[in-house]
Amino acid sequence: KAGVTQTPRYLIKTRGQQVTLSCSPISGHRSVSWYQQTPGQGLQFLFEYFSETQRNKGNFPGRFSGRQFSNSRSEMNVSTLELGDSALYLCASSLGHVAEEQFFGPGTRLTVL
Amino acid sequence: AQSVTQLGSHVSVSEGALVLLRCNYSSSVPPYLFWYVQYPNQGLQLLLKYTSAATLVKGINGFEAEFKKSETSFHLTKPSAHMSDAAEYFCAVSEAGANSKLTFGKGITLSVRP
Repeated sequence: KAGVTQTPRYLIKTRGQQVTLSCSPISGHRSVSWYQQTPGQGLQFLFEYFSETQRNKGNFPGRFSGRQFSNSRSEMNVSTLELGDSALYLCASSLGHVAEEQFFGPGTRLTVL
Repeated sequence: AQSVTQLGSHVSVSEGALVLLRCNYSSSVPPYLFWYVQYPNQGLQLLLKYTSAATLVKGINGFEAEFKKSETSFHLTKPSAHMSDAAEYFCAVSEAGANSKLTFGKGITLSVRP
């Protein structure tokens, strides 16, 4: 079956702009989690959506937000971009139980100039 | 709160040598533990996971890990390294009540010398 897809794969924005990233999970998966990966901080959990509800949230400012649609597809939005938001943003889907494997997409590389 | 420590950022081994990547965790409840691998310009792929069944867990590509509660460790090993094992490896922990939140270690880059 098809894997997790993320669009776009690469994005260049300037400070102050906003951006929306998209994630399509594996068919049948109801949980979508988002992670930020940077060389300095590593992989950090942003938030998780399950059946259109935010079920868990990491320690990121309110500029980072997300949503999930009825077909489980998810979007992540970052407003008022800062240079430090430059990162690889990964989404992962799973059946939703804590012990289940999370399947990761290839990521969206965001560069903020 | 859950946390993961991966000591060192880079490990280099010769092809055919033993691979040992260390992972220690902290969790207030019985944890679920995972090892993921990331190849350049790709997402993460699960190598193996511990979910309170057997303490010795076998994964893909010849990797295995042993859960040791007394040492709060979950070290990853492979008897004989291949060139294709060169990648970044992440240990992660999740726990009941955290839903699908994974807490990752900083990652270790494995280099394999011919």
